[in-house]
Amino acid sequence: QKEVEQNSGPLSVPEGAIASLNCTYSDRGSQSFFWYRQYSGKSPELIMSIYSNGDKEDGRFTAQLNKASQYVSLLIRDSQPSDSATYLCALYSGAGSYQLTFGKGTKLSVIP
Amino acid sequence: GAVVSQHPSRVICKSGTSVKIECRSLDFQATTMFWYRQFPKKSLMLMATSNEGSKATYEQGVEKDKFLINHASLTLSTLTVTSAHPEDSSFYICSARGPGGYVIGAFFGQGTRLTVV
Repeated sequence: QKEVEQNSGPLSVPEGAIASLNCTYSDRGSQSFFWYRQYSGKSPELIMSIYSNGDKEDGRFTAQLNKASQYVSLLIRDSQPSDSATYLCALYSGAGSYQLTFGKGTKLSVIP
Repeated sequence: GAVVSQHPSRVICKSGTSVKIECRSLDFQATTMFWYRQFPKKSLMLMATSNEGSKATYEQGVEKDKFLINHASLTLSTLTVTSAHPEDSSFYICSARGPGGYVIGAFFGQGTRLTVV
């Protein structure tokens, strides 16, 4: 059974700091990894996807993947109050159904 | 970019009635659609996967006779909650995937907040 684990938080960081969000997973065969941001009452919004080991940067966001350790993280630099949301980690195992497995999410609060 | 439109965004219905939620892909052909439900402060739970023109595949524990899914065209899938009860109150979200080459998991509808009274 595929599992995706996230610390539920809340994670509080001051404005301008780096927020670090972590995710571990159980299925070694997982191929694709995604980070979503979800504001309260809204649906998830894809912010980063990563497929190979290493870092991937997009603006203030950096996703890091370590398949050997079954670990994926998201760093948010220069955190802003507007980044306050729940961040969901998800993975795709590579099976033909293209289903995603989601973690429970980490609630991030950026304090002005 | 690709857009998935979900309607309605909010619905309140009486216990025992049925509610239909629509999910449309506006500028691509959605070969597969996924339906999720999300309880407060919980993650998304996949309810079913539907491929155009075929029966939906339901996850374990999801009642297929209660949550009717139709994916009759490449741009429209519907979820009907039949004989709704208060415990069906939740946030329902659809996600669409196009044919090969489209980013997996990128396209979510806006979600539907269902409240059964």
